[in-house]
Amino acid sequence: AQKITQTQPGMFVQEKEAVTLDCTYDTSDPSYGLFWYKQPSSGEMIFLIYQGSYDQQNATEGRYSLNFQKARKSANLVISASQLGDSAMYFCAMREGSGGSNYKLTFGKGTLLTVNP
Amino acid sequence: EPEVTQTPSHQVTQMGQEVILRCVPISNHLYFYWYRQILGQKVEFLVSFYNNEISEKSEIFDDQFSVERPDGSNFTLKIRSTKLEDSAMYFCASSEALGTLQETQYFGPGTRLLVL
Repeated sequence: AQKITQTQPGMFVQEKEAVTLDCTYDTSDPSYGLFWYKQPSSGEMIFLIYQGSYDQQNATEGRYSLNFQKARKSANLVISASQLGDSAMYFCAMREGSGGSNYKLTFGKGTLLTVNP
Repeated sequence: EPEVTQTPSHQVTQMGQEVILRCVPISNHLYFYWYRQILGQKVEFLVSFYNNEISEKSEIFDDQFSVERPDGSNFTLKIRSTKLEDSAMYFCASSEALGTLQETQYFGPGTRLLVL
């Protein structure tokens, strides 16, 4: 089974509108972290936002917010007021486990967001 | 703002040759990682490194791969005898600590490796 599922291969949004990128995850570990990264066409991986499994509130970072629904195992990224520069591939990732030094990230397949002027 | 750096940005090599990819993690970070991304595919974990030893490695990280922290700043990935299927973008990442926001892994810009 996929650990991280991103069901939207591609999404389109009009500039200045909000968009939600979906991510569901699968883990039986009570301690985990969820991350979103942005990958522009230039290739680098840019960290956007983090949500810990024990965090009571949804994470926010500027125009980015994470809609964390623990019971549904979903961690959707919401981008408000889209800008042309938001056009990129977006990856959801998860870290499972606690203790030790095993903190690898498992990534989804990504969603390609295109912002139209 | 501190960042992870990687060299070279691009590397072209012949099949069977050795390559060394270099990374300088963020200076106060203690946990180091290598990932790879084959063109058009998702990012895959290769290896994690802490306290001068490998913490975990994936099935991809076979005997052809090795990692080293030769000094206090560099972190290297060596592929001893490259294969065509090693062609990918290789990312180095580092994190400050474990748990909470400090576990966030910051990625370098990547090295695009092409094996001919």
